[in-house]
Amino acid sequence: ILNVEQSPQSLHVQEGDSTNFTCSFPSSNFYALHWYRWETAKSPEALFVMTLNGDEKKKGRISATLNTKEGYSYLYIKGSQPEDSATYLCAFASGSARQLTFGSGTQLTVLP
Amino acid sequence: DTEVTQTPKHLVMGMTNKKSLKCEQHMGHRAMYWYKQKAKKPPELMFVYSYEKLSINESVPSRFSPECPNSSLLNLHLHALQPEDSALYLCASSQELYRQTAPLHFGNGTRLTVT
Repeated sequence: ILNVEQSPQSLHVQEGDSTNFTCSFPSSNFYALHWYRWETAKSPEALFVMTLNGDEKKKGRISATLNTKEGYSYLYIKGSQPEDSATYLCAFASGSARQLTFGSGTQLTVLP
Repeated sequence: DTEVTQTPKHLVMGMTNKKSLKCEQHMGHRAMYWYKQKAKKPPELMFVYSYEKLSINESVPSRFSPECPNSSLLNLHLHALQPEDSALYLCASSQELYRQTAPLHFGNGTRLTVT
């Protein structure tokens, strides 16, 4: 069983603050790491798919980094807005597995 | 708007009922998935269809019966469920099963309550 951990479980930030959270995954047999944003009453939406060690991806105010050797990825949100409030899920794909293993998510609330 | 459509959004059923969840996508994806998610827990994979054939069954009890009538449709037939089966059921699709560098596209889910 693959272990994918996300921290923190939840956090509250003020509008305009920058924030980041972590996804930890097995450092061996890495294939891909996915990030999804899941707003309440909507469907999870893919943010990034990362495959290379040292990869850095950016989408507007959101960016992500990847360290496959030590088994972690960071998601950063710059200047948080209330519309960023969502649960952020990461999912790990190993070279030997045929499907993704999800973390439990980080629930972000941005207070106006 | 989501490109994966799930119906119904909510379902309440008794333990003796038979019901079905439906999922539809028109993106030409060849892999379709059923996930189960309980509050504060990660989505758990139940079934995967690849090119309309069942490729993965994660030891799911037989009271859950998947069906893939064609490449755009995925059903989950429910019979004699237990209260602990109450959860959010998510459908997803992707270009192909083993292409894990392509993202999953999810529906909004069906919130199932078993009484």
